[in-house]
Amino acid sequence: GNSVTQMEGPVTLSEEAFLTINCTYTATGYPSLFWYVQYPGEGLQLLLKATKADDKGSNKGFEATYRKETTSFHLEKGSVQVSDSAVYFCALSDLGSGGFKTIFGAGTRLFVKA
Amino acid sequence: SQTIHQWPATLVQPVGSPLSLECTVEGTSNPNLYWYRQAAGRGLQLLFYSVGIGQISSEVPQNLSASRPQDRQFILSSKKLLLSDSGFYLCAWTDGVAGNQETQYFGPGTRLLVL
Repeated sequence: GNSVTQMEGPVTLSEEAFLTINCTYTATGYPSLFWYVQYPGEGLQLLLKATKADDKGSNKGFEATYRKETTSFHLEKGSVQVSDSAVYFCALSDLGSGGFKTIFGAGTRLFVKA
Repeated sequence: SQTIHQWPATLVQPVGSPLSLECTVEGTSNPNLYWYRQAAGRGLQLLFYSVGIGQISSEVPQNLSASRPQDRQFILSSKKLLLSDSGFYLCAWTDGVAGNQETQYFGPGTRLLVL
């Protein structure tokens, strides 16, 4: 079955540091890939997505490239801010017999220190 | 624009008591609706999803149930809460239109503490 594996947290960085959160997936079809972000006490919100191989999703300085050959969708940001502190979820969406299903990774908590 | 509401925001209930959490979506028609649970510091567990009124699919057998009495209303219920039901409950929707069903939009969540 489909699955998503992302690096365990927490990840602690200083402000302006470079961020990478690794995500790999297993899928039988051709899924779309997503990163969602959850700020403290809130629901998840879409950060970026990519729908096919070699697509790059980007938003708010974050980027991720859909790599089919390595089944990866790593999240990167060149210079993090304290306001980026949150939990980040990698996810895939694939069409199955019951419609689209989204599979989420376990989440990676990011702490950014001033 | 579309919005999703959940209530209550926070709930403290004794073990064995009933539960009813409500989720409503505005600004769209015939959405697909989802209930997730997030235990403290953990990922998301899909509990139920619905593609239409009265149509409920259960992902995990447990003492919870879901109902969809109206197109944009999704209710999560329990007759008798367990301690293990504590968590953060998230409702989400996706567009029911083919070709636009992949992105999930989440509500603000309900934090449930069972004592």
